[in-house]
Amino acid sequence: GIQVEQSPPDLILQEGANSTLRCNFSDSVNNLQWFHQNPWGQLINLFYIPSGTKQNGRLSATTVATERYSLLYISSSQTTDSGVYFCAVLSDNDMRFGAGTRLTVKP
Amino acid sequence: EAQVTQNPRYLITVTGKKLTVTCSQNMNHEYMSWYRQDPGLGLRQIYYSMNVEVTDKGDVPEGYKVSRKEKRNFPLILESPSPNQTSLYFCASSSPLAFGAEQYFGPGTRLTVT
Repeated sequence: GIQVEQSPPDLILQEGANSTLRCNFSDSVNNLQWFHQNPWGQLINLFYIPSGTKQNGRLSATTVATERYSLLYISSSQTTDSGVYFCAVLSDNDMRFGAGTRLTVKP
Repeated sequence: EAQVTQNPRYLITVTGKKLTVTCSQNMNHEYMSWYRQDPGLGLRQIYYSMNVEVTDKGDVPEGYKVSRKEKRNFPLILESPSPNQTSLYFCASSSPLAFGAEQYFGPGTRLTVT
């Protein structure tokens, strides 16, 4: 099955800093999503981005499907951005999640 | 409001006592699935359903059953729960996944089996 690797596994930032999270995948995909899991365990959809670039406020994402990676950018980070960020990809009917990046934003 | 709901949100039970976690969506989605999340292992798919009366195994189906009698509901059944099924469970739904549709997740059910 498709392999999904996220980096870095852990990231600690000072409030106000910018960051880039990466998701690499091993095969062509029909779908790629980024999620934020907050400290209460809820999974929040950030982006549905099988290709191209999208922006939503301080967050943006870019997927280069031909090179099999996606990037999530967080600018001017806030303490509420803390949590785990997952990318999930769909190849055929196989939906796979990466192991996540745990982000801690310190005040 | 478009949403996926799960009940219960928290459950503590004992080994061997049958339980059902319900999942319901109001978006008329064909595709529904169940995942479990464990520390260090990420989210793994348990079962999925492409449509009514069509279900299939995911990566970790052992010890679980599902049914899809109605489009909106996809219950997860643990016939004889064991401590290794202690986990955080998520239900998700989407339009036909083969077309690359976006998945929507429920709020999660935290299950503890003692």
